[in-house]
Amino acid sequence: KAGVTQTPRYLIKTRGQQVTLSCSPISGHRSVSWYQQTPGQGLQFLFEYFSETQRNKGNFPGRFSGRQFSNSRSEMNVSTLELGDSALYLCASSLALGGNEQFFGPGTRLTVL
Amino acid sequence: GEDVEQSLFLSVREGDSSVINCTYTDSSSTYLYWYKQEPGAGLQLLTYIFSNMDMKQDQRLTVLLNKKDKHLSLRIADTQTGDSAIYFCAETFGGSYIPTFGRGTSLIVHP
Repeated sequence: KAGVTQTPRYLIKTRGQQVTLSCSPISGHRSVSWYQQTPGQGLQFLFEYFSETQRNKGNFPGRFSGRQFSNSRSEMNVSTLELGDSALYLCASSLALGGNEQFFGPGTRLTVL
Repeated sequence: GEDVEQSLFLSVREGDSSVINCTYTDSSSTYLYWYKQEPGAGLQLLTYIFSNMDMKQDQRLTVLLNKKDKHLSLRIADTQTGDSAIYFCAETFGGSYIPTFGRGTSLIVHP
């Protein structure tokens, strides 16, 4: 069974631009969570989607948004990029909402110049 | 608020045992997790323990939980160079299932 895939793996943007990251969960998994990983703040939870609905949201500004499609694939969008948005963005999938076993993708490394 | 603390670095010799420690502050923890992150990769769930357990063993990995001291440890027996990675401790607490992560311990295994 294929693991969690994230595209693109690397991205370079400039301040003020917007970006869309994609995540395909493991087949059969219906919950997708997004995390931001930075050296300064560590791993922080962004949001979780289940059945195309956002179920939980972390403490991030409204510039960070996401959605989930009927096939459970998820996208996250960051608008008006800031230098501080440079990070590794990780997606994780689990079978159900609140599943203990989360499987992580390799991440998208976003650099904002 | 919740907090999960880990030491930043651990260096061991190949073949020795490694013990990675973690402390947490929330007494209503439900599950505690250990994840491994290799360079350029996402997190891999190694094992997790329910808060009413004291110990869990899985091949070379042993997790010990001291609820009184709010201390969690991961012991890796016969550490190999392939075990070099960053190890994250995480907890869920209260009614939430969103994990709170520590900053990670970088394990360096040298010959």
